Formats: sequence, C-alpha cells, structure tokens
Amino acid sequence: DMQMTQSPSSLSASVGDRVSITCQASQDINFFLNWYQQKPGKAPKLLISDVSHLETGVPSRFSGGGSGTRFTLTITSLQPEDFATYYCQQFDVAPYTFGPGTKVDIK
Amino acid sequence: VQLVQSGAEVKRPGASVRISCKASGSGLTNFAFHWVRQAPGQRPEWVAWINAGNGATKYSQTFQGRVTISTDTSANTVYMDLSNLRPEDTAVYYCARAKSDRRFSLEYWGQGTPVAVSS
Repeated sequence: DMQMTQSPSSLSASVGDRVSITCQASQDINFFLNWYQQKPGKAPKLLISDVSHLETGVPSRFSGGGSGTRFTLTITSLQPEDFATYYCQQFDVAPYTFGPGTKVDIK
Repeated sequence: VQLVQSGAEVKRPGASVRISCKASGSGLTNFAFHWVRQAPGQRPEWVAWINAGNGATKYSQTFQGRVTISTDTSANTVYMDLSNLRPEDTAVYYCARAKSDRRFSLEYWGQGTPVAVSS
C-alpha cells in the first residue's frame, strides 16, 4: 500500500498564526491528493482537492501545494474554527490511504 | 444534499453487518460513493467505492473479500455489507459522495455509523 506520512503530528498555535503541514507519499502520486479537516465526533470535511483546488466555501486562508511525493497545506492567519485535525489522502493507487493526521490546537 | 446512515450496530465476531446510506437532495447515478471507516483515535481508512451510474466497484484488499457495496437507485440508498466481523473492525463507518467531476474528492459525508464487534 502507498504509505502516507504527515508532519508534524501535532502543533500548538495562536489565532492569527501561519501554519504549514507537510504530507509525504512513499511514491510519486502525481497530483492525486486531497486534504480534509476533521473535528471531534464529526465526519471529515473536504478542504482541498487535486493538491491545490480550494473547495467552494472554504476560506482563502487555506492553500495547498506540492507535487510528486511532497505536499503542503498552509493556513494563513489561523482562526478559532480552524483548530482541528487535518488529513491528507492520496487517490493515485488503491487503497486510497490517508495520512496519520496533524492535530492543530490552541497554544 | 444529505446522506443519512443507519444506526449503531453491536455484533459478535464472525457475524455480518449491513449499513445503509440514504441520499436526499440528489440522485445516485451521476456520482461515486465511497465508504471510509475510522477506528477510535485512528486515521480514516478507505474501504471501497462504487460508481452508482454503472455499478463498477473497487475494494480495498485489506478486507480480503469480506466487503460488498451496492446501490438501490429506487430507494436512493447505498449499502455496505461487511462479513466475518472481527474485533478490529470496530470503527465508525462513513459513506461519502464524491464530487460530480472528481470521483475521489469526498464532498458530502454521512453522519457515521458506529460498529462495535465484541464477544
């Protein structure tokens, strides 16, 4: 299976901070990568598809980038509602594996 | 668009479970539907997907033939059957509908169905 890793596994940040999360695939996955946000007890929410396509309704402070095996999710000016766990998911090769997640909490 | 899943299940090892996912606000046939599960404190795990338009399916080999997904277009409902349950199948199971133009971008999610497997 395609292995996905994320770093950091958790981070503490303040409202207004800029944060970046890295997702790494064990093989080249082209641009077949999505980012999801999940809050406790809720289903994941699609934020970004195809590496950098911001979904409708997702604030522009979220952005995605990268290619090949290394990808990033950046949140500029963190807001209170952004404290959550973020997962990347590759859909290049089945099974379409998720990363282990990055928990963003309040400093 | 809303996806409403069936309720929580408690099963013995070796049993089977069927989870339903009823879509409202859209039909099934133009979309792909996926099943994703999440064990407590773990990352989501992709299970399977179905192209509701032509019935094509793909399953994670992790489940070694124990999972089957199907649709009932007249009922606007997608189903996931998981057989020969094991304690490690304990998880919340989600159905999700993909975007119309991106079959692997999961735009709408059900509320989740907890499945507990224990003797």
